[in-house]
Amino acid sequence: NAGVTQTPKFQVLKTGQSMTLQCAQDMNHEYMSWYRQDPGMGLRLIHYSVGAGITDQGEVPNGYNVSRSTTEDFPLRLLSAAPSQTSVYFCASSWAGQGIYEQYFGPGTRLTVT
Amino acid sequence: KNQVEQSPQSLIILEGKNCTLQCNYTVSPFSNLRWYKQDTGRGPVSLTIMTFSENTKSNGRYTATLDADTKQSSLHITASQLSDSASYICVVSSGQKGFKTIFGAGTRLFVKA
Repeated sequence: NAGVTQTPKFQVLKTGQSMTLQCAQDMNHEYMSWYRQDPGMGLRLIHYSVGAGITDQGEVPNGYNVSRSTTEDFPLRLLSAAPSQTSVYFCASSWAGQGIYEQYFGPGTRLTVT
Repeated sequence: KNQVEQSPQSLIILEGKNCTLQCNYTVSPFSNLRWYKQDTGRGPVSLTIMTFSENTKSNGRYTATLDADTKQSSLHITASQLSDSASYICVVSSGQKGFKTIFGAGTRLFVKA
């Protein structure tokens, strides 16, 4: 199993540009989520999904869109990039079942917005 | 407000020594508490997971404790190794089936030879 994969690993955007961060998992996990990690702060939940076709907002959803058309993929879209979105983005997946327990994280995407 | 606070912010210890990291939370309703290790430039990796009814969980040289009454947890590392140098993150899950996750800012541990 490849686990959780993310692409790209690094990205530089100009203010106002849009892009999609890709996330895929091959463990048939129902639950997938996106986080951003900023210096000195804990990871913050952006959006999450409990299955194909079902998404919900986390703590910091503004400026980001998600969709879940398949169990495997959970892309994160930046509609109009802003310098405040400079961060490291992590995707994670987990079995849902009776509850969210162990989460598996991808290697991260480091995004810089100039 | 749901919060997870960790202390200390950073810690330097000598190889072979033990250390204890602290986590206090004000998350409700509580689903579970997890400790993760995050190496520089990598995603977090799970160390332990505890539910409300568990008060201790071990994973090799890592032992986590949970006091659900005082809303405190600790992570004890025994006989530290250079490879233990990393950030250790406390995570509390809340809400329906723990779908909402709140992360602490982490404790940065440096193990010196």
